[in-house]
Amino acid sequence: AQKITQTQPGMFVQEKEAVTLDCTYDTSDQSYGLFWYKQPSSGEMIFLIYQGSYDEQNATEGRYSLNFQKARKSANLVISASQLGDSAMYFCAMRRWDTGRRALTFGSGTRLQVQP
Amino acid sequence: ETGVTQTPRHLVMGMTNKKSLKCEQHLGHNAMYWYKQSAKKPLELMFVYSLEERVENNSVPSRFSPECPNSSHLFLHLHTLQPEDSALYLCASSQEDTQYFGPGTRLTVL
Repeated sequence: AQKITQTQPGMFVQEKEAVTLDCTYDTSDQSYGLFWYKQPSSGEMIFLIYQGSYDEQNATEGRYSLNFQKARKSANLVISASQLGDSAMYFCAMRRWDTGRRALTFGSGTRLQVQP
Repeated sequence: ETGVTQTPRHLVMGMTNKKSLKCEQHLGHNAMYWYKQSAKKPLELMFVYSLEERVENNSVPSRFSPECPNSSHLFLHLHTLQPEDSALYLCASSQEDTQYFGPGTRLTVL
């Protein structure tokens, strides 16, 4: 069975600073994908970034980058130059590729608060 | 409209009511999903439809009944719900990998 662990229930960061949100995963699969989503107070889950297990380079999308360490089974999200609008819940998720199952397994989330 | 839309955004219902949640995707995707997000619990998958066929059912009680009439629309029919069913219900769609979510329906069961 897959499991996603996010050990930081809440994080604070000063505006314009960088912040790292931790995510570790447990799977016996060789082929999988890792996702990060942002959920503002409005409720919508917003896709941020994706990393495939066979991707050799860490994924980047604008101010978001994913620090993927396969041997340690970690996929931390790095947000550079934090903005007030980054305050939200952040969820790490994983999907298996080999079985054809499309379901995502989510972690419990980290609440990020950006302070001015 | 673009992306994934859900209606209603908020719903309050009694335990004896029957209601339906609607999801519509404008992305041309071939799979749609229902997730449940309860307070202090990770998102839980409820149902997956691929090409209008239900391919996953995550042991959801029968008081939740999904319907996918075409690849753009997904419904969740609700009847005789319990107070513990109060949650945010999120719809998502995908083509292959990344799932895109709607804004959710916040359901309160009295």
